[in-house]
Amino acid sequence: KAGVTQTPRYLIKTRGQQVTLSCSPISGHRSVSWYQQTPGQGLQFLFEYFSETQRNKGNFPGRFSGRQFSNSRSEMNVSTLELGDSALYLCASSLEQGLREKLFFGSGTQLSVL
Amino acid sequence: KQEVTQIPAALSVPEGENLVLNCSFTDSAIYNLQWFRQDPGKGLTSLLLIQSSQREQTSGRLNASLDKSSGRSTLYIAASQPGDSATYLCAASGYSTLTFGKGTMLLVSP
Repeated sequence: KAGVTQTPRYLIKTRGQQVTLSCSPISGHRSVSWYQQTPGQGLQFLFEYFSETQRNKGNFPGRFSGRQFSNSRSEMNVSTLELGDSALYLCASSLEQGLREKLFFGSGTQLSVL
Repeated sequence: KQEVTQIPAALSVPEGENLVLNCSFTDSAIYNLQWFRQDPGKGLTSLLLIQSSQREQTSGRLNASLDKSSGRSTLYIAASQPGDSATYLCAASGYSTLTFGKGTMLLVSP
């Protein structure tokens, strides 16, 4: 069974641009959650999607958004990039209970904002 | 707001030692407590998940305990090996969010 796949693996953008990251969950998993990891703040929860609906949301500005498609694949978008958005962005999938069950993580997308 | 703290931030031990990693959380209203392992530049691998109604979980050389009343969880690693070298994170699952500690960086030397 294939694991969680995140693309691209690395991304370099400049301030003010926008970026879209992709996450394909494990087959059969319907919940996808996103996280930002930085050396200073550690791992922080962004949001969780289930059946194409945002079910939970962390404390991030509206520049961070996401969506989920009918095949459970998810995308995360960051608009008007700031230097502080440089981070490793991780997604995780789970069967149905989302944050309340075992999570399977992808390898992440390393975003650098110049 | 849930806060999760992990002590120590870093730990270096010789191969074969038994060790304990600590995780504390401020809000006892959790659904579960998860322990993860992260290798450099990689995603997280789930090690153990303890439901709020459970006291401990075991997997191989790993044993995790949970004491909700005191807001503490421990991860016990028996007979440590160089391959155990990684960062270990704990995360508390609340009503609508998941809160992570900043991790303990473990180095096991041969």
